[in-house]
Amino acid sequence: NAGVTQTPKFQVLKTGQSMTLQCAQDMNHEYMSWYRQDPGMGLRLIHYSVGAGITDQGEVPNGYNVSRSTTEDFPLRLLSAAPSQTSVYFCASYGIGDNYGYTFGSGTRLTVV
Amino acid sequence: AQSVTQLGSHVSVSEGALVLLRCNYSSSVPPYLFWYVQYPNQGLQLLLKYTSAATLVKGINGFEAEFKKSETSFHLTKPSAHMSDAAEYFCAVSDGSNDYKLSFGAGTTVTVRA
Repeated sequence: NAGVTQTPKFQVLKTGQSMTLQCAQDMNHEYMSWYRQDPGMGLRLIHYSVGAGITDQGEVPNGYNVSRSTTEDFPLRLLSAAPSQTSVYFCASYGIGDNYGYTFGSGTRLTVV
Repeated sequence: AQSVTQLGSHVSVSEGALVLLRCNYSSSVPPYLFWYVQYPNQGLQLLLKYTSAATLVKGINGFEAEFKKSETSFHLTKPSAHMSDAAEYFCAVSDGSNDYKLSFGAGTTVTVRA
């Protein structure tokens, strides 16, 4: 099925560990974003990309890196995990046209202990 | 910069009653406005969007929202609540020149009483 696929769905990390959250879309969307969701705060933009090879920072970029080597993939890297990064992470891709609006993945629930 | 305020973090309605979720935005340019719904343990699903066409926007599942520029509001309504409407709802705004950068409200959780 077409859409946005995130892996893993759940992850527990120890403080200081690094990891990569994977995101792939098969809709040929140019725009992709990473958001984190925390209770009472809605979704906050971490990083975004307007096309392969182009990325930029969002509202809360510290502690995260991204790259966009292909249109399909947009991985999010946590460099040195901290408890403050415990959150639910959503990847989303955006298409222009009739289906205007972001398509979201099902999320990755990350706990840092 | 855009921002969104959703009034009320929790709303409880009876089945069959009106659902009204309030959203106010601030934007320095004409905005694009969205409502998303999130069911438990799922991602967000687009309910409806306003992109400077008709001010009354109809979405999926019987929801609609009205853009009121004078009030900087984009409230979401549904005439008759159903048990399946229990979820969290997010209002979001982007500006027209950077419509891929969404700013979200804090969300409103809707519970439906039988």
